Amino acid sequence: NAGVTQTPKFRVLKTGQSMTLLCAQDMNHEYMYWYRQDPGMGLRLIHYSVGEGTTAKGEVPDGYNVSRLKKQNFLLGLESAAPSQTSVYFCASSYSLAEGYNEQFFGPGTRLTVL
Amino acid sequence: SQQGEEDPQALSIQEGENATMNCSYKTSINNLQWYRQNSGRGLVHLILIRSNEREKHSGRLRVTLDTSKKSSSLLITASRAADTASYFCAFFGSGTYKYIFGTGTRLKVLA
Repeated sequence: NAGVTQTPKFRVLKTGQSMTLLCAQDMNHEYMYWYRQDPGMGLRLIHYSVGEGTTAKGEVPDGYNVSRLKKQNFLLGLESAAPSQTSVYFCASSYSLAEGYNEQFFGPGTRLTVL
Repeated sequence: SQQGEEDPQALSIQEGENATMNCSYKTSINNLQWYRQNSGRGLVHLILIRSNEREKHSGRLRVTLDTSKKSSSLLITASRAADTASYFCAFFGSGTYKYIFGTGTRLKVLA
């Protein structure tokens, strides 16, 4: 049982390049989330999904796209990377939302630098 | 913004001492959770307290919740060097499907 895994762990991009971050979970969770973490700002929700084939915008969605084609995978895409997207990205999943009674399980993070 | 605020931002204590960190929020909540993040790692869930509870214990952790003041505190008793980490509160944003995280408290426990 690997929990939540993220690939890659590190990546350096040049401005304007594109990339996809992959999140996978093996806990059969319905809900998945993408966050970014910047110094002094805690975690901010980028996009989330409440089930296979569904996605929704979070607090800071601009410049990102997501897809949830399979229940176990949640992809985060950057179409044209900008230096402001330099951050640590975390994926998380939970069994259900149920008014927030369920804990979130986090991946180890992807450290992205955009030059 | 619904983001939670935590204080202090940083805390440094000696091993064996107690550590207290506070979280304040602005929205109505059903429950509040606390997470720990070790350097370079993802967050790990510690404890959840429901809105109808005032206090909850788990091992060396004690969490209180005051919904009238919209605040919560996390107490770690008899701290250890291994408790060195950042601690975040998180709550379910009212009327949304979103968890809101606090800004975090960086705890350093000196051996």
